[in-house]
Amino acid sequence: KNEVEQSPQNLTAQEGEFITINCSYSVGISALHWLQQHPGGGIVSLFMLSSGKKKHGRLIATINIQEKHSSLHITASHPRDSAVYICAVRSSSNYQLIWGAGTKLIIKP
Amino acid sequence: EAGVTQFPSHSVIEKGQTVTLRCDPISGHDNLYWYRRVMGKEIKFLLHFVKESKQDESGMPNNRFLAERTGGTYSTLKVQPAELEDSGVYFCASSQDRINEQFFGPGTRLTVL
Repeated sequence: KNEVEQSPQNLTAQEGEFITINCSYSVGISALHWLQQHPGGGIVSLFMLSSGKKKHGRLIATINIQEKHSSLHITASHPRDSAVYICAVRSSSNYQLIWGAGTKLIIKP
Repeated sequence: EAGVTQFPSHSVIEKGQTVTLRCDPISGHDNLYWYRRVMGKEIKFLLHFVKESKQDESGMPNNRFLAERTGGTYSTLKVQPAELEDSGVYFCASSQDRINEQFFGPGTRLTVL
């Protein structure tokens, strides 16, 4: 079992739908990252959070430290949101990033 | 401000050859990280530099991999000799300090034939 689990692995939705991607982890962390990777592209950091909630445009990230769970939400989804979304946690013991497998999101027009 | 850059973007080599990947971090970032994703698996940590010193190299897979960061600026990751299972995408990231956000480069796609 991976230390960072994401669900779903794949998600296809229609433009305008509300999207939720989940991340659960089993290790002690000092921070959790949500990152985005477009096909053929590099990795872009979306959020780094250690508690509560953060919002940037149509993206919202929440974390529940007690439950070791985080969610990434996309409101009013658009085809340009199509990408792989990756959850990564920073271990509190050695500061390494431990990565989830990613969620491949496709938004159809 | 320039972001993290990596060179080359793609490299195709034969098994047994040597390849050197380069990463230029954001200017002023003391912390530099190497990660890789091999086919079908999660991205894995390789190592972490603080300036020119290796802070943590616990993720390096074996002694065919050698990373350096002379002068604390850019870093190189050499694979010698390359094996088929080394194929994947190698990412570099940098940060001001180890608790701050990491900024990622575009990655180098390595194919070993």
